[in-house]
Amino acid sequence: NAGVTQTPKFQVLKTGQSMTLQCAQDMNHEYMSWYRQDPGMGLRLIHYSVGAGITDQGEVPNGYNVSRSTTEDFPLRLLSAAPSQTSVYFCASSYSSRVAYEQYFGPGTRLTVT
Amino acid sequence: TQLLEQSPQFLSIQEGENLTVYCNSSSVFSSLQWYRQEPGEGPVLLVTVVTGGEVKKLKRLTFQFGDARKDSSLHITAAQPGDTGLYLCAGAMGDYKLSFGAGTTVTVRA
Repeated sequence: NAGVTQTPKFQVLKTGQSMTLQCAQDMNHEYMSWYRQDPGMGLRLIHYSVGAGITDQGEVPNGYNVSRSTTEDFPLRLLSAAPSQTSVYFCASSYSSRVAYEQYFGPGTRLTVT
Repeated sequence: TQLLEQSPQFLSIQEGENLTVYCNSSSVFSSLQWYRQEPGEGPVLLVTVVTGGEVKKLKRLTFQFGDARKDSSLHITAAQPGDTGLYLCAGAMGDYKLSFGAGTTVTVRA
């Protein structure tokens, strides 16, 4: 199993450009999430999905869109990149659990917006 | 303002010493997880604690969940350079949304 894969590994965008960060998992997990990680702030939830066709907002959703057409894929779209979106982005997946939602993380995408 | 406060933010110790990292909140969690993250990689789950007062041991790592399920600690005995990394705690409140602490950067010097 590859686990959770993310592409690209690094990306540089100019302000105003759009792009899609790709995420895929081969563990048949129902739950998938996108987080951003900034220095001194831990991981903050952007969007999440509890199954194909179902998505919801997390803590910091503005400027990002998601869709979940299949169980395996959960792309994150930046509509119009801003310097404030410079960050490291992690995709994670999780099996369903009533108590614990243990996350399996991808390797991350380091995004710089100039 | 973060729901989970981790302390200390940075910790640098000599190989063979012990260390403790704390994760505190005023909120009650249904479970609490600890992750370790190495530079350039995603976090990796170390342990999940579910029951108030629960203690779990993973080789030289000991994890404790507070009786009131509001806090947790991670204790490493006889730290080794391989223990170097960013340690993150994350709390679940019954829904899917995890709240992460800001992390503790641990450096173990050989």
